[in-house]
Amino acid sequence: DARVTQTPRDKVTEMGQEVTMRCQPILGHNTVFWYRQTMMQGLELLAYFRNRAPLDDSGMPKDRFSAEMPDATLATLKIQPSEPRDSAVYFCASARDYYQPQHFGDGTRLSIL
Amino acid sequence: SQQGEEDPQALSIQEGENATMNCSYKTSINNLQWYRQNSGRGLVHLILIRSNEREKHSGRLRVTLDTSKKSSSLLITASRAADTASYFCANAPLGNEKLTFGTGTRLTIIP
Repeated sequence: DARVTQTPRDKVTEMGQEVTMRCQPILGHNTVFWYRQTMMQGLELLAYFRNRAPLDDSGMPKDRFSAEMPDATLATLKIQPSEPRDSAVYFCASARDYYQPQHFGDGTRLSIL
Repeated sequence: SQQGEEDPQALSIQEGENATMNCSYKTSINNLQWYRQNSGRGLVHLILIRSNEREKHSGRLRVTLDTSKKSSSLLITASRAADTASYFCANAPLGNEKLTFGTGTRLTIIP
């Protein structure tokens, strides 16, 4: 079965460092989403793309987060500088189109010390 | 903020029993979806029900949708230990391309 692949699986770094998370969506899916999951806030949508174009990044702190899709096989989420409150599990998901079932990767577990 | 709420927040039942989870939402929808999340893993899509459908089945899963009450339920019959997971509903609001996820129900099946 096709899967969404996320790297790294785990990341521990110190406050102030740059963090880059990568996602390979399922081939043929034209919509890609970035989510953050915490115990307190649950699952939050950070940004999403269709056909590589960013459509909505209103869920992201703009001053430190950025999301891009350099090509159809790669989506990135960067945090610079990172802060302890960014500690969470970050998920990437892809879908054939909006309203369609989303396929999630297994996430990047991020810990900022 | 999340627009969906699920009830109960946690549920523990004996293996073999049926489990029912409920979900409420606030706006008109295109469809409603249910997902499962095992510990340490990503969400897995289980079933999608469109706004013009009232009931849908998939294996041991049965989903109902009541658009007049803006609510849905997920029934898992003959539960198994492997069904232990968190279950989320997600609605696709009309005119909004983003899914809105609920807070989830943590289901524990006791062997």
